[in-house]
Amino acid sequence: GAVVSQHPSRVICKSGTSVKIECRSLDFQATTMFWYRQFPKKSLMLMATSNEGSKATYEQGVEKDKFLINHASLTLSTLTVTSAHPEDSSFYICSARRLAETQYFGPGTRLLVL
Amino acid sequence: QKEVEQNSGPLSVPEGAIASLNCTYSDRVSQSFFWYRQYSGKSPELIMSIYSNGDKEDGRFTAQLNKASQYVSLLIRDSQPSDSATYLCAVNDNNNDMRFGAGTRLTVKP
Repeated sequence: GAVVSQHPSRVICKSGTSVKIECRSLDFQATTMFWYRQFPKKSLMLMATSNEGSKATYEQGVEKDKFLINHASLTLSTLTVTSAHPEDSSFYICSARRLAETQYFGPGTRLLVL
Repeated sequence: QKEVEQNSGPLSVPEGAIASLNCTYSDRVSQSFFWYRQYSGKSPELIMSIYSNGDKEDGRFTAQLNKASQYVSLLIRDSQPSDSATYLCAVNDNNNDMRFGAGTRLTVKP
């Protein structure tokens, strides 16, 4: 299957700081990238969908000013958690898809906000 | 009504048995169906995709799709302890966005 990477894999930050997470498709051009959040023992929750070169579409209840998504190229999308708070601590997972093909997931980023 | 429903489990089977995981979906126009496996603390990995009615086999895994009943299942033959994980059913909606079920936790006991 296709390879999707995420960086960093784990981050600890202080409350009020911003954290940027990168998602890269390594061996294909991803027309669409997705950002998910998963709390312990809970299911994946889609946060937003981004298409290269256009604004992200956010799911209901997800604050677009808090979770900034940039999909500047066909191989890179970034999620910035602005002014992070302890309740933002979670497992953030991206996935990438080329056209209407299968989605492939990155390994995830575990965020802990102190 | 949830778009994709799965029994959350836990489902426990003995080693060597067949594990049967079930999923129903609400969107009749869905055309693409997927099973992902997620180990604790890891991200999901794709096991199977299925697009047409019937069975699709890949090694010890068989996906079954019945569009009339809006039902998709995953059978794992000769279950191994390493199969213990959460299995996520996913369905593409009419916008071609993937919707996930809550997952079924499977435990295979040695």
